[in-house]
Amino acid sequence: KAGVTQTPRYLIKTRGQQVTLSCSPISGHRSVSWYQQTPGQGLQFLFEYFSETQRNKGNFPGRFSGRQFSNSRSEMNVSTLELGDSALYLCASSKRGQDGYTFGSGTRLTVV
Amino acid sequence: QQQVKQSPQSLIVQKGGISIINCAYENTAFDYFPWYQQFPGKGPALLIAIRPDVSEKKEGRFTISFNKSAKQFSLHIMDSQPGDSATYFCAASSANAGGTSYGKLTFGQGTILTVHP
Repeated sequence: KAGVTQTPRYLIKTRGQQVTLSCSPISGHRSVSWYQQTPGQGLQFLFEYFSETQRNKGNFPGRFSGRQFSNSRSEMNVSTLELGDSALYLCASSKRGQDGYTFGSGTRLTVV
Repeated sequence: QQQVKQSPQSLIVQKGGISIINCAYENTAFDYFPWYQQFPGKGPALLIAIRPDVSEKKEGRFTISFNKSAKQFSLHIMDSQPGDSATYFCAASSANAGGTSYGKLTFGQGTILTVHP
């Protein structure tokens, strides 16, 4: 079966711009979580959605937002990009959020 | 505190040897402890997970040992192979307020494992 699909794989944006990343979970998975991975901070939780509702939120500024659609696909948006937002953004999905999460390969965002 | 501390940062093992990675946590509310393996250019892949009601769980060459009183858990990779060379992350989670989700994983900093042939 298809895994978690994240698009695009690579993205270069200019400081001050905004960006939208997309995640298609495994079929039948209704929980989607987002993480930021950087060499310095490691893997940090952004937020989790289930049935179009945000269930958990990490400690990121309001510039980071997300949403989930009725087909469980999810998007995250970062507004007013800063150089420090350069990272690998990972999406993970689970059937209900009480079992193992499967990660996608991520979107590599570079802010210049 | 929400931290999960992982050690060592890097580990070199000979083929056939045992790789051991340790993690410690502070938040006693954590009750789900997965381990992930990540190869370059890929997302983390779930290896094995444990809940605090058992002290050990084994799946193939991978074993998690869990010590609830010490708030520590470890991953043992038996008969390590060059193909096991990757970055390994421990993580921990607790249910959300509604008890419906373990989706907020707190990760350790990772261990880069190199297995020499």
